[in-house]
Amino acid sequence: DQQVKQNSPSLSVQEGRISILNCDYTNSMFDYFLWYKKYPAEGPTFLISISSIKDKNEDGRFTVFLNKSAKHLSLHIVPSQPGDSAVYFCAASGGEYGNDMRFGAGTRLTVKP
Amino acid sequence: DAEITQSPRHKITETGRQVTLACHQTWNHNNMFWYRQDLGHGLRLIHYSYGVQDTNKGEVSDGYSVSRSNTEDLPLTLESAASSQTSVYFCASSAQLNQPQHFGDGTRLSIL
Repeated sequence: DQQVKQNSPSLSVQEGRISILNCDYTNSMFDYFLWYKKYPAEGPTFLISISSIKDKNEDGRFTVFLNKSAKHLSLHIVPSQPGDSAVYFCAASGGEYGNDMRFGAGTRLTVKP
Repeated sequence: DAEITQSPRHKITETGRQVTLACHQTWNHNNMFWYRQDLGHGLRLIHYSYGVQDTNKGEVSDGYSVSRSNTEDLPLTLESAASSQTSVYFCASSAQLNQPQHFGDGTRLSIL
């Protein structure tokens, strides 16, 4: 039973436009959420995080939004660049899982020049 | 620079064999983790350790074991490899809990 779901396996956007990646979770006890970016043949790298006491966190072109009532978080990338093309994983921890992280299946983002 | 390295990067073995994947980190992190990545599942936690001599089972621990004899290393052992364990394996570490984890570049394991 997947606790963290990324329902879009892929997303394609034009360079300069906004990319919006979505993630849903089922466990209301999760209290820490992260986004990781992964290039082929490399390990995931941390991108941005948010705790459940916030609803928004920004870092440069990247913003994560958290809607606790809907159990939904999203990652906005503005403006998108070709170098952003990668697989993006969302992850969550907390509740009965403690500090164990649960990952979504990932969304492959392609940014076209 | 501190880093986390996994070896080997690629391995092919036969069913029934014992296989050990190495993970070494120079971050001096107490927390270390092993994940497997499969299509449609993202990353799933196999085992983790919060310090020397501490090991814990994760979501998909059956058929795997770990040991932590020092801070830097957390080797993952497949006692008797099965074809269902063909996957890409990632090791990670973190300084504190509920902090981002640093990942190695993975080991692609094929079991024939």
